[in-house]
Amino acid sequence: NAGVTQTPKFRILKIGQSMTLQCTQDMNHNYMYWYRQDPGMGLKLIYYSVGAGITDKGEVPNGYNVSRSTTEDFPLRLELAAPSQTSVYFCASTNGLGRGDTEAFFGQGTRLTVV
Amino acid sequence: AQTVTQSQPEMSVQEAETVTLSCTYDTSESDYYLFWYKQPPSRQMILVIRQEAYKQQNATENRFSVNFQKAAKSFSLKISDSQLGDAAMYFCAYRSGRGNDMRFGAGTRLTVKP
Repeated sequence: NAGVTQTPKFRILKIGQSMTLQCTQDMNHNYMYWYRQDPGMGLKLIYYSVGAGITDKGEVPNGYNVSRSTTEDFPLRLELAAPSQTSVYFCASTNGLGRGDTEAFFGQGTRLTVV
Repeated sequence: AQTVTQSQPEMSVQEAETVTLSCTYDTSESDYYLFWYKQPPSRQMILVIRQEAYKQQNATENRFSVNFQKAAKSFSLKISDSQLGDAAMYFCAYRSGRGNDMRFGAGTRLTVKP
């Protein structure tokens, strides 16, 4: 099982550049999330999606955009990269509601440095 | 919005002893899920244990158990017979029963001394 796959694993961007972090899951999960983790800190929710075509802002959405055209894919777009966006980014997915599995499955993370 | 607070940035335990990590949360919901995740230096997020708010019984997974106090909005993790491999960052997480988001605490770095 591939689970949640993020690409790339590492990236260095120059200030003002743009990029897309890719995230795909093969578990048919409805819910997908993007988090950022600054050094020594917890995970902050950037955006989430409850299904294809539906996205919503989390705690720290400024400077980012997302789309969810399919159940499997949830890309995160950085426009005009800034040094404050230097972080490790995690994509996660989880099952729907109900009394079954509610565990979130995480990708391996993308370490992004903006210089 | 829901918030999750871990008040212990760092904890230390001697190998084979027991340690308790604290977590409190704030919510107005009655239906939710709580989790403890472990993050070793590899950055991989690993589920340690989960608790459904509607269940009164505290969850246990081998050496890991929780003390879930719903009225106090407290969810602590107890690690028994600590092992060197338990050394990691531990994150407490809250997921709404509506499933619309999942929030994490700031984490507790656990050191295990041989």
